[in-house]
Amino acid sequence: AAGVIQSPRHLIKEKRETATLKCYPIPRHDTVYWYQQGPGQDPQFLISFYEKMQSDKGSIPDRFSAQQFSDYHSELNMSSLELGDSALYFCASSLRGQGDGQPQHFGDGTRLSIL
Amino acid sequence: GNSVTQMEGPVTLSEEAFLTINCTYTATGYPSLFWYVQYPGEGLQLLLKATKADDKGSNKGFEATYRKETTSFHLEKGSVQVSDSAVYFCAFDSGNTPLVFGKGTRLSVIA
Repeated sequence: AAGVIQSPRHLIKEKRETATLKCYPIPRHDTVYWYQQGPGQDPQFLISFYEKMQSDKGSIPDRFSAQQFSDYHSELNMSSLELGDSALYFCASSLRGQGDGQPQHFGDGTRLSIL
Repeated sequence: GNSVTQMEGPVTLSEEAFLTINCTYTATGYPSLFWYVQYPGEGLQLLLKATKADDKGSNKGFEATYRKETTSFHLEKGSVQVSDSAVYFCAFDSGNTPLVFGKGTRLSVIA
């Protein structure tokens, strides 16, 4: 079965640079979530989209923005990168329209390293 | 506020031992409960879920029962294998909201 696809898998940037992370949800899933996981930490919610509209907002810095496109893929744009942004970034998708209790399915993540 | 508390690791067991990882939650309403597993260098995989009180989720020999009276969702497996070594996260959502995760429990199973 098709899974959530994230690209790139690894990304190395320097401080103050920008980065764009991409997420392709499972076909027909209507909701995308972005999470940040620091080393040895639990995932922290950043932002989500339902049917291409922003749905919930978590601890996403103002330097970051995201959007969901007409084909349901999503991009997380990160600017003025800081050392503390080094983390694993996960995208997850679900089928919210099916009602409560729909599990989120995660991609393999993008490992972002800031030098 | 909403939170998940799960037992701290690391947990080290011998192969074929019994596993319990405790998880309790604080949430409003009627959350759906999940266990996710993360193998080294990989993403989070859904292990099992339960959406209402007294539901039992099960998968790959793992089980967890939604206990509303104790707000718990403890993960159990009768006989662990080396391949079960991973980090296990307890989580919930409240009606398709973003997941709230516990801190994770690292399990190491030795032969």
